[in-house]
Amino acid sequence: DGGITQSPKYLFRKEGQNVTLSCEQNLNHDAMYWYRQDPGQGLRLIYYSQIVNDFQKGDIAEGYSVSREKKESFPLTVTSAQKNPTAFYLCASRVQDRGGYGYTFGSGTRLTVV
Amino acid sequence: GQQVMQIPQYQHVQEGEDFTTYCNSSTTLSNIQWYKQRPGGHPVFLIQLVKSGEVKKQKRLTFQFGEAKKNSSLHITATQTTDVGTYFCAGPDNAGNMLTFGGGTRLMVKP
Repeated sequence: DGGITQSPKYLFRKEGQNVTLSCEQNLNHDAMYWYRQDPGQGLRLIYYSQIVNDFQKGDIAEGYSVSREKKESFPLTVTSAQKNPTAFYLCASRVQDRGGYGYTFGSGTRLTVV
Repeated sequence: GQQVMQIPQYQHVQEGEDFTTYCNSSTTLSNIQWYKQRPGGHPVFLIQLVKSGEVKKQKRLTFQFGEAKKNSSLHITATQTTDVGTYFCAGPDNAGNMLTFGGGTRLMVKP
């Protein structure tokens, strides 16, 4: 079955550490996205990428970095510059320029700073 | 920037009662999408509306897109415990490259 795989499901980070969250899709989707969700809140866009080797900042990109070296993969690094990284991180993808098809989300990574 | 707002933030209903959530955008939208997130889960795409005044139904769920394409609603008839979760609306930016999500309405159903 096609889908999006995020790993790990739970991640604990010490203060001052960088951590990388994995997102892999086998849907052959062009566009990929990273969202952050805080408890009881909506989704806020961190970064998105429409094609390989290209990505754009979303609304809350500070303290995060991404890469898109392969169509299937869009890893997110949470750097030590992100002051409040504890949150639920969701990766999504979609077919570009195709109406009627929403985003497909992965099952998410819950990051906690300890 | 574009803002998408939803009300109410929370709604408790007795099983069998109806439920409605409302979505308003600060800008005119080319389309609006609705998602459902079960507790502890991830958002799942429900539907997309494109045309002004469009109404679509999925079993007990009715989705409407306003005439001005700035607001939308989701109505659930005779709620069931399986309807529990948070319902999000989302609208694209002008270029259609990214979605802005509303804050969501969390639905709780008492059996």
